[in-house]
Amino acid sequence: NAGVTQTPKFRILKIGQSMTLQCTQDMNHNYMYWYRQDPGMGLKLIYYSVGAGITDKGEVPNGYNVSRSTTEDFPLRLELAAPSQTSVYFCASSTGQGGQETQYFGPGTRLLVL
Amino acid sequence: AQTVTQSQPEMSVQEAETVTLSCTYDTSESDYYLFWYKQPPSRQMILVIRQEAYKQQNATENRFSVNFQKAAKSFSLKISDSQLGDAAMYFCAYRSWTNAGKSTFGDGTTLTVKP
Repeated sequence: NAGVTQTPKFRILKIGQSMTLQCTQDMNHNYMYWYRQDPGMGLKLIYYSVGAGITDKGEVPNGYNVSRSTTEDFPLRLELAAPSQTSVYFCASSTGQGGQETQYFGPGTRLLVL
Repeated sequence: AQTVTQSQPEMSVQEAETVTLSCTYDTSESDYYLFWYKQPPSRQMILVIRQEAYKQQNATENRFSVNFQKAAKSFSLKISDSQLGDAAMYFCAYRSWTNAGKSTFGDGTTLTVKP
């Protein structure tokens, strides 16, 4: 199992450009999450999904969009990139319930907006 | 809204000694999960330990154990026999039992292990 994979690993964007961060998991998890981590800070939840076709906002959704057409994939779309979106983005997945709930994280995507 | 506070931005410990990292949280829910994650310089987030709020017994995983005080809303991590490989940023995290969207991380504690 590859677990949670993210592409790209690093990207530089110009202000106003758009891009999609890809996330795929092969653990058949229902729940998937997108977080951002600013330097020296903890993770903040951007969006999450409890299953294919169902998404909801987290703490910091502005400037982002998501979709979940399959169980495996949960892409994050940045429209009109701004310097404030410079961050490291983590995708995670979990079973979502029960006593063994654990979020498995991808390796992260480092994004620089100039 | 839930908040998670880690009051120690940095901690250091001598190799083979014991160190305790502090975490407090605020919630109005009665059922939830608490986690400690380790983030080494590689940035990979690694689960260290998990505690379900309904369990009174403190979780342990080898050299890692927690002191969970539900009434005080405190969740500290104890690392025994510290090793050089324990050096990392440690994050305390809260997740609602019923609502995946209520997922909150603290700002982290950087742990240095001195040889």
